[in-house]
Amino acid sequence: ETGVTQSPTHLIKTRGQQVTLRCSSQSGHNTVSWYQQALGQGPQFIFQYYREEENGRGNFPPRFSGLQFPNYSSELNVNALELDDSALYLCASSPGNTGELFFGEGSRLTVL
Amino acid sequence: SQQGEEDPQALSIQEGENATMNCSYKTSINNLQWYRQNSGRGLVHLILIRSNEREKHSGRLRVTLDTSKKSSSLLITASRAADTASYFCATDAHYGNNRLAFGKGNQVVVIP
Repeated sequence: ETGVTQSPTHLIKTRGQQVTLRCSSQSGHNTVSWYQQALGQGPQFIFQYYREEENGRGNFPPRFSGLQFPNYSSELNVNALELDDSALYLCASSPGNTGELFFGEGSRLTVL
Repeated sequence: SQQGEEDPQALSIQEGENATMNCSYKTSINNLQWYRQNSGRGLVHLILIRSNEREKHSGRLRVTLDTSKKSSSLLITASRAADTASYFCATDAHYGNNRLAFGKGNQVVVIP
């Protein structure tokens, strides 16, 4: 059974650029959630996708957007990057919209 | 304010000692979860306790939940160097289902 995988693991962007982060959910999991974790802080909920539809969103601006594909993998897109977007972006999958989350190792984004 | 807030302290203990950390939340929950994170990597689920449960055990972990005080505690018994990590509690109170709100985390260092 393959766990949650994320790519890329590290990337550096400059202000104003756009970034796409990718996540493959664990086999059999139809729900994917994205979290942002700033240094020294707890993860902050960005949004969740369930069966290809957005299923809840945290307090993030519209320039944070996402997709879920028929194989339940997912993308997080961030437009017009700001310095404060520098963080570890975590993807988590689950076999439904309740219960525990299974996290990937994250994508560390640095915005210069 | 954010649901699920640990006492934001760093804990340094000797191997073999017990480690206790606390978490409080502000509104009603269906369940509360604890996660561990090693050095800014992905989070690993430790235990989920439902609102109708008062105590739960998993190996060397013991979690209690007091819904009247809106608080939870995580006890790690007979700590090991490998327990060195950050520990987060998370609740479903703010966003619902498994769209979790995390606290800021407790950093635990176990000295061999």
